Amino acid sequence: GDSVTQMEGPVTLSEEAFLTINCTYTATGYPSLFWYVQYPGEGLQLLLKATKADDKGSNKGFEATYRKETTSFHLEKGSVQVSDSAVYFCALSRRALTFGSGTRLQVQP
Amino acid sequence: EPEVTQTPSHQVTQMGQEVILRCVPISNHLYFYWYRQILGQKVEFLVSFYNNEISEKSEIFDDQFSVERPDGSNFTLKIRSTKLEDSAMYFCASSERGSPATNEKLFFGSGTQLSVL
Repeated sequence: GDSVTQMEGPVTLSEEAFLTINCTYTATGYPSLFWYVQYPGEGLQLLLKATKADDKGSNKGFEATYRKETTSFHLEKGSVQVSDSAVYFCALSRRALTFGSGTRLQVQP
Repeated sequence: EPEVTQTPSHQVTQMGQEVILRCVPISNHLYFYWYRQILGQKVEFLVSFYNNEISEKSEIFDDQFSVERPDGSNFTLKIRSTKLEDSAMYFCASSERGSPATNEKLFFGSGTQLSVL
């Protein structure tokens, strides 16, 4: 069946560092891919998405490119801020969302 | 921005007891969902609900679980006889027009942490 694998956290970075959170997926066909973010005390929020191969999703300085050849959708940001501290979830869609286990990011000033 | 509201934020119950988790989806949304996350594990789909009936459910959603939209605003998840392994964070979500199959954006609540003792 479908599955999503994310790098384990926590990831701890200093402010203005470069961020990569790896995400790979297993699925038949070409599902849409998503990154959701959960800030402390809040629900999951859609961060960005890509619906077909080679699409790049972007939002709030975050980017991820749908790579069919490597079945990956890695999340990147060039310069993280303390306010980016949250848990990030990679997901793919079929009839329901299939999530990864989440990666906690902690950004230190 | 409108938001999905879940109550309570924490619930503790004894094994074998019934528990009802409550959610108020965004008012003009038509599709409703429950997901859960056991500590340290993945967020798992439980059930989706549209037009007053279940549209999809996972193998986790067995006869111990039921969902209801009792009054047009609330969306509830009932666990009939809780087990230790039901301890998890339960997330409610809603979407406006479609399901993840149509790439519709889901709006999630902040979750209810259920602890079964």
